[in-house]
Amino acid sequence: AQSVSQHNHHVILSEAASLELGCNYSYGGTVNLFWYVQYPGQHLQLLLKYFSGDPLVKGIKGFEAEFIKSKFSFNLRKPSVQWSDTAEYFCAVTINNTNAGKSTFGDGTTLTVKP
Amino acid sequence: DSGVTQTPKHLITATGQRVTLRCSPRSGDLSVYWYQQSLDQGLQFLIQYYNGEERAKGNILERFSAQQFPDLHSELNLSSLELGDSALYFCASTKLRQGTGELFFGEGSRLTVL
Repeated sequence: AQSVSQHNHHVILSEAASLELGCNYSYGGTVNLFWYVQYPGQHLQLLLKYFSGDPLVKGIKGFEAEFIKSKFSFNLRKPSVQWSDTAEYFCAVTINNTNAGKSTFGDGTTLTVKP
Repeated sequence: DSGVTQTPKHLITATGQRVTLRCSPRSGDLSVYWYQQSLDQGLQFLIQYYNGEERAKGNILERFSAQQFPDLHSELNLSSLELGDSALYFCASTKLRQGTGELFFGEGSRLTVL
């Protein structure tokens, strides 16, 4: 079964600092990759996704992620964070062309941005 | 607003009791997923339904059951509740039969078992 590891449980940054959240998955086949964000008191919503093509994907609110197949990684980045980016971030993977419909989520990284 | 509706938003109950959580998927979505989010275990997949049929099962306890009705809404039944069942239960939906696409999440039902 696939698994997803998020390296940082809690990240604290000051506004304007650069962000990189790590995500590694374990599965040797073709995968679809996602980053979701959960703002305080809200539901999870999609930040960005990778299915195929350009491994550098851009999402909403200035976020981007790079798929590195050789490293089984899909790290999330933002050049300059804002206080409003304070949230929990989840990396998720689904196996392409499978009968198993579930997305497997990492444990999440809580980002706190200090003003 | 994701278009996925979950009720109730908050529920407080006692150990040993039974509760039902309800989810209405986005219009046109046939797949419904249930996830449990607890502090110590992150976001855990419970079960998926597609057009009324169970498609995939995750770490769902035998005390828990779910179903999807002809109008595509889904219910998650939790029985013989224990303190450890306290968590946020999310429903998500997507059009696809297979989990290759984006999930649209509801706001969750927060269950507190006392």
